Amino acid sequence: EAQVTQNPRYLITVTGKKLTVTCSQNMNHEYMSWYRQDPGLGLRQIYYSMNVEVTDKGDVPEGYKVSRKEKRNFPLILESPSPNQTSLYFCASSSGQGRATNEKLFFGSGTQLSVL
Amino acid sequence: AQSVSQHNHHVILSEAASLELGCNYSYGGTVNLFWYVQYPGQHLQLLLKYFSGDPLVKGIKGFEAEFIKSKFSFNLRKPSVQWSDTAEYFCAVFSSGTYKYIFGTGTRLKVLA
Repeated sequence: EAQVTQNPRYLITVTGKKLTVTCSQNMNHEYMSWYRQDPGLGLRQIYYSMNVEVTDKGDVPEGYKVSRKEKRNFPLILESPSPNQTSLYFCASSSGQGRATNEKLFFGSGTQLSVL
Repeated sequence: AQSVSQHNHHVILSEAASLELGCNYSYGGTVNLFWYVQYPGQHLQLLLKYFSGDPLVKGIKGFEAEFIKSKFSFNLRKPSVQWSDTAEYFCAVFSSGTYKYIFGTGTRLKVLA
């Protein structure tokens, strides 16, 4: 089954304790991205990756890191989490390869992060 | 700057009522427009999209949207909503040049049985 898998689904941590949210897709997609969803603000893009070893900042990259060492994996790293990073995070991948006719985002189930 | 506006943040309707959710965008390039839906407790999924051709596009579950270039709008419609349409709806613009998505703030729809 084609899917984007995020782990964990829920995470509670404390300020400053490094954490990683994993994301993996089994569709051989080149494009992957991370979003955070906050009430009243919708989805905002954190980082995206066009291919292995190619990453770029989205609209709200501060406080986050990503890596793309393999095509299927795109982990989101919070080196020193702060309470304002408490949010619902979604990973997504796309089949479009830059062609709008094929473009469609496949989303993971989300990770609810609470930073105390 | 590129932006997407969804003016209705919360909408409450009774079953069988008609639905129209507004979406306006500000974007200078070729427009690719999407509506994604997030049912309670689920991840986002594609409802419909417009990239060229017929400005009236049809999606899943009886939804449709009309691209009106002169109004920079891509409103979502459904003639008769069902309780199962209760969800959050997101409009988005996609740039095939920069491969960037911009999402609106979302509209929470509640349909009363």
